Amino acid sequence: NAGVTQTPKFQVLKTGQSMTLQCAQDMNHEYMSWYRQDPGMGLRLIHYSVGAGITDQGEVPNGYNVSRSTTEDFPLRLLSAAPSQTSVYFCASSRFSIDRTREQYFGPGTRLTVT
Amino acid sequence: KQEVTQIPAALSVPEGENLVLNCSFTDSAIYNLQWFRQDPGKGLTSLLLIQSSQREQTSGRLNASLDKSSGRSTLYIAASQPGDSATYLCAILRDQGAQKLVFGQGTRLTINP
Repeated sequence: NAGVTQTPKFQVLKTGQSMTLQCAQDMNHEYMSWYRQDPGMGLRLIHYSVGAGITDQGEVPNGYNVSRSTTEDFPLRLLSAAPSQTSVYFCASSRFSIDRTREQYFGPGTRLTVT
Repeated sequence: KQEVTQIPAALSVPEGENLVLNCSFTDSAIYNLQWFRQDPGKGLTSLLLIQSSQREQTSGRLNASLDKSSGRSTLYIAASQPGDSATYLCAILRDQGAQKLVFGQGTRLTINP
């Protein structure tokens, strides 16, 4: 298994540009989520999904959109990038139905800079 | 609101020492607590997970304990090695249904040869 994969690893955007951060997992996990990590703020939840077709907001959802059309993929869209969205973005997944431990697995991250 | 605190923010010790990292949380109603390791510029690697009904978990030189009543968890690292240098994060899962992890700020650990 590749686990949780994220692309791209690095990205530089200009203010106002849009882009999609990709996240995929091959573990048949129902639950997927997006976090951002900022110095002094720790990791904060942006959006999450408990299954295909179901998404919900986390702690810091403004400026981001998500959709979940398949179990494997959970892309994060920045509609109009702002410097405040400069951060490292992590995708995570966990098994909902079988694994009662709810252990979460993280991807390697996407480092985004908005100028 | 659940808050998670890790003290100290940074720790530097000589190789071979045993050490303890601390994590405290404000709400004892948790589902589980997970310890992660993060190397510079990398993702999070899960080290240990303790469910709310458990008191401790062990993996190799690592031992994590959980005391829900006092809102504390510790990560014990035995016989530290330079390769243990990393940032260690603890995270609380309060609700098994919502699957929202609440993270501490982390402890940056440096093991000096």
